[in-house]
Amino acid sequence: QKEVEQNSGPLSVPEGAIASLNCTYSDRGSQSFFWYRQYSGKSPELIMSIYSNGDKEDGRFTAQLNKASQYVSLLIRDSQPSDSATYLCAVNRGGYQKVTFGTGTKLQVIP
Amino acid sequence: DGGITQSPKYLFRKEGQNVTLSCEQNLNHDAMYWYRQDPGQGLRLIYYSQIVNDFQKGDIAEGYSVSREKKESFPLTVTSAQKNPTAFYLCASSGNTGELFFGEGSRLTVL
Repeated sequence: QKEVEQNSGPLSVPEGAIASLNCTYSDRGSQSFFWYRQYSGKSPELIMSIYSNGDKEDGRFTAQLNKASQYVSLLIRDSQPSDSATYLCAVNRGGYQKVTFGTGTKLQVIP
Repeated sequence: DGGITQSPKYLFRKEGQNVTLSCEQNLNHDAMYWYRQDPGQGLRLIYYSQIVNDFQKGDIAEGYSVSREKKESFPLTVTSAQKNPTAFYLCASSGNTGELFFGEGSRLTVL
């Protein structure tokens, strides 16, 4: 079992729709959860962090965490073509511990 | 400006040669990381360092070496023992939140 699992996609959504990206993790000791966006040929950039169960909203992005189910998701509302990228889920046990990434989900927003 | 600087951006290596990738940060972060990314894949951890003069192996450390003599610097050497070194190498740093900030990456090609 992979430590962090994501559906590789591609996930295609029409412009203006909600994109839903999912991630599961195996380490029950995980405390910190992150979503990164990576455009083709570029380095990843952090878009959301979440540390406790529930929802966290930042603009068009909402991260959802359910530690009991070992599940974290990212919702992108009003998807734009500029959101087309690969989204990487990452987890760690907190603080300066190693950060483990999933393989990423490729999102395509169709104009 | 604060950030992470990786160099060189592109590097070509002949088989049997060692090469060193530079990573410098001025974010005053304690932790630094090296990841490798292959086409269409996620990020795999090579080495990470939580404090000066200390570092830990990640998931794919074989064929690589690092040093952490200064807080700002975490160079990675790709040795001739690394069988398939062609990849995109990403350096990152973090504070105690675990949020990673990445450099622009170094793309290594073996001729």
